[in-house]
Amino acid sequence: DGGITQSPKYLFRKEGQNVTLSCEQNLNHDAMYWYRQDPGQGLRLIYYSQIVNDFQKGDIAEGYSVSREKKESFPLTVTSAQKNPTAFYLCAAEGGYSNQPQHFGDGTRLSIL
Amino acid sequence: SQQGEEDPQALSIQEGENATMNCSYKTSINNLQWYRQNSGRGLVHLILIRSNEREKHSGRLRVTLDTSKKSSSLLITASRAADTASYFCATLTGGYQKVTFGTGTKLQVIP
Repeated sequence: DGGITQSPKYLFRKEGQNVTLSCEQNLNHDAMYWYRQDPGQGLRLIYYSQIVNDFQKGDIAEGYSVSREKKESFPLTVTSAQKNPTAFYLCAAEGGYSNQPQHFGDGTRLSIL
Repeated sequence: SQQGEEDPQALSIQEGENATMNCSYKTSINNLQWYRQNSGRGLVHLILIRSNEREKHSGRLRVTLDTSKKSSSLLITASRAADTASYFCATLTGGYQKVTFGTGTKLQVIP
C-alpha cells in the first residue's frame, strides 16, 4: 500500500527536550516537506527537501532541524529552542515535477507536558 | 502573510445543497490546488488546475480559476454528510516546488 507514514500519532515533550518525528514514504517521490498546523489555521512550511542529502528552510524553520539521508525518510527534530512546539505536524511528498500534487501523511500531534 | 485566503471561513449547509468556496491569492501562480482535510487527519488532494486552465471537473467537484482576478472557486454539488471537512487552496509559485496553503474553509454538511 503506497503512501506516507508518520509516527507517532501523538507525542509529548518535556521542557528542554528534543523530540524527533518520523516520516517515511514508499511512493519513490523525490521531494518531501514538513508543515506545521495550528488550530483553525492553514499549513506553514518548516523545511523541504527536493533531493537526498539536500534540504532548505521554509517559512518557520527556527527551532527545528531535519535530515534527508535516504529518499524514503525525512525526520523532523523539534529542538528545545522551539518555544511553542504544540501543534499538528504534517509530512508530505511530491514527485518533484511541475504540476504534481502533494501526498500527505496523517500527522503527528505534539503537546508539551 | 498567507498567499491564499479562503472565503468563507466556515460554511454550514443541508445535505443535497451545493457548497461554494472561494480562494484569492496575491502573486502570479503556476498552478492552484484544492485539498480536503478531515478532522485530525492529513490533507487529501482533490483537484489541480494549471494557470492556463479556466475550469476543471472531477465527479461532483468543479473548480474555476480567474487569473485576472487572482481567484479560484471550488463548487461541491449535491453535498453529502461525508463532505464535512476543511477545504484548503494551495498555490504553486516560483521556479521551485514551493506550495503555499491558505487558511481553509470549514464545511459542515447537515444530514
